[in-house]
Amino acid sequence: GAGVSQSPRYKVAKRGQDVALRCDPISGHVSLFWYQQALGQGPEFLTYFQNEAQLDKSGLPSDRFFAERPEGSVSTLKIQRTQKEDSAVYLCASSSATSGRAYEQYFGPGTRLTVT
Amino acid sequence: GQQVMQIPQYQHVQEGEDFTTYCNSSTTLSNIQWYKQRPGGHPVFLIQLVKSGEVKKQKRLTFQFGEAKKNSSLHITATQTTDVGTYFCKRSYIPTFGRGTSLIVHP
Repeated sequence: GAGVSQSPRYKVAKRGQDVALRCDPISGHVSLFWYQQALGQGPEFLTYFQNEAQLDKSGLPSDRFFAERPEGSVSTLKIQRTQKEDSAVYLCASSSATSGRAYEQYFGPGTRLTVT
Repeated sequence: GQQVMQIPQYQHVQEGEDFTTYCNSSTTLSNIQWYKQRPGGHPVFLIQLVKSGEVKKQKRLTFQFGEAKKNSSLHITATQTTDVGTYFCKRSYIPTFGRGTSLIVHP
């Protein structure tokens, strides 16, 4: 079956613009995660959904970052008023387990965001 | 915050040499996961360790979880060029990746 997909794969935004990044998890996967990966660093946790419920958003760096998963499937990460420091690869991952954090996560290819 | 420290940051080896990366936490871990990320790619799950002192093998890869569940290691025997990439350890609660060890294999 299809893996995790993300769109767009690349996004260039001017500072101050809003962006929306989409994640399509593996069908039937309950848990969904967003990570931010800067160049040369490990992925940093942003937020976690179990179905449509956002159970942890402790990693969102500011109130400019907002994520949703209204029907428990597709998720969108929105960044308002983008800043240069938001430039990174945004990775989405899904997991089949209800206790998703402790299980294998399947990652999408990521969206590379460049803010100019 | 609660960090997961990983060393070394880079490791250059000649093809056929062994490679080891180490992961350390200041707090006891419920489990530890290992991922591999090829250049330009996304992280791919390798394994999860749960039990104190656990050792698991996947072909040339050996994964260990410390007795105190605060450290872990990944050892690759007789590296090949296909092993090139960055290896990350990851704790589950709150999901935290180490900085990764980039393995460069010289043919």
